[in-house]
Amino acid sequence: QKEVEQDPGPLSVPEGAIVSLNCTYSNSAFQYFMWYRQYSRKGPELLMYTYSSGNKEDGRFTAQVDKSSKYISLFIRDSQPSDSATYLCAMYDRNTGNQFYFGTGTSLTVIP
Amino acid sequence: DAGITQSPRHKVTETGTPVTLRCHQTENHRYMYWYRQDPGHGLRLIHYSYGVKDTDKGEVSDGYSVSRSKTEDFLLTLESATSSQTSVYFCAIRATGTENTGELFFGEGSRLTVL
Repeated sequence: QKEVEQDPGPLSVPEGAIVSLNCTYSNSAFQYFMWYRQYSRKGPELLMYTYSSGNKEDGRFTAQVDKSSKYISLFIRDSQPSDSATYLCAMYDRNTGNQFYFGTGTSLTVIP
Repeated sequence: DAGITQSPRHKVTETGTPVTLRCHQTENHRYMYWYRQDPGHGLRLIHYSYGVKDTDKGEVSDGYSVSRSKTEDFLLTLESATSSQTSVYFCAIRATGTENTGELFFGEGSRLTVL
């Protein structure tokens, strides 16, 4: 079983839709949860970063962490064609050193 | 922008040849990482460094070596490239002050093809 599971998609939505991206994980020790956005042929860029459970909002993006269910989500409101990218979740347990665990990424296309 | 530069950005080489990829940073961050990204596998850690001459292995380190003789440079070497090492390689840094948190910043990637 992988440490982090992420549906690869692809996901295709019309412009203006609400997008929900999700990851599940198996290690209850993870404390830090990240979402990265990766455009084609580019490096991943950090989009959202959350510590422990709860919600975090940044503009049209909301990250949610439910540690009891080992489930994290990224919501994109009013999606735009510029949101078309691959979204990777990542997790980290600071007590075990430098290993970050990444999902395989979900490919999103927002259709104008 | 975390000031990360990877070189070369693209390389085609033949099986059995040595290859070195360079990651250069401009902000003296302590932690540097090399990942490879492959379809269906996501990002996998090859090696990382926590200071000059201080390095450690990641989950897919076989066939790779690294060196860090200066804070700003982290080199990844494939001693004898194989076709299974065809991949996109990303360097990442953890910004100073975030050592206990989970923020990584990535370079633009180096696309390696081994024929």
